[in-house]
Amino acid sequence: DAGVTQSPTHLIKTRGQQVTLRCSPKSGHDTVSWYQQALGQGPQFIFQYYEEEERQRGNFPDRFSGHQFPNYSSELNVNALLLGDSALYLCASIRTGTLGQYFGPGTRLTVT
Amino acid sequence: EDQVTQSPEALRLQEGESSSLNCSYTVSGLRGLFWYRQDPGKGPEFLFTLYSAGEEKEKERLKATLTKKESFLHITAPKPEDSATYLCAVQALGAGGTSYGKLTFGQGTILTVHP
Repeated sequence: DAGVTQSPTHLIKTRGQQVTLRCSPKSGHDTVSWYQQALGQGPQFIFQYYEEEERQRGNFPDRFSGHQFPNYSSELNVNALLLGDSALYLCASIRTGTLGQYFGPGTRLTVT
Repeated sequence: EDQVTQSPEALRLQEGESSSLNCSYTVSGLRGLFWYRQDPGKGPEFLFTLYSAGEEKEKERLKATLTKKESFLHITAPKPEDSATYLCAVQALGAGGTSYGKLTFGQGTILTVHP
């Protein structure tokens, strides 16, 4: 049973560029949450997708957007990148009706 | 607003020296409290979920407990491979008792176990 997968593993972008990160949830999981983790900090909730719609959102600007596909996989898009967007981006998958959230390995984004 | 504070920020132990990590939380209604382990550069690994005050869960050398205001992660006779950052998170009940899964994390405790 494959766990949560994310791609790419690492990414380097320049200020002002746009980036797309991808996540595939665990088998049987239908909900995906995205988190941003700055160095030395705990993860911060960005948003959650369920049934291909954004269901809940944290305190992140509209530059952060997402999408969920019919197969439950998800994308996180960040526009107009800032140096402060450099972080580890984590995807967590959930099966509706349960509490457990399982995280992927993350994508390390560096903005120069 | 939900808040989670973990202490200490860093803890250095000798192998076999038992200790506890603390997680204090403020939440309007608790749906669940979670403990995760995170190795450098990797995603958090799920350890425990606690639902109500008085609950305890164990896994190998780890034991998690929960009160109405805090949770403790007790580490008994730790080994060097227990070295990691331990994260605590809460999930709150929303309006009408719904809960969509947003986790609010603390900043973590960095545990180092020396042989």
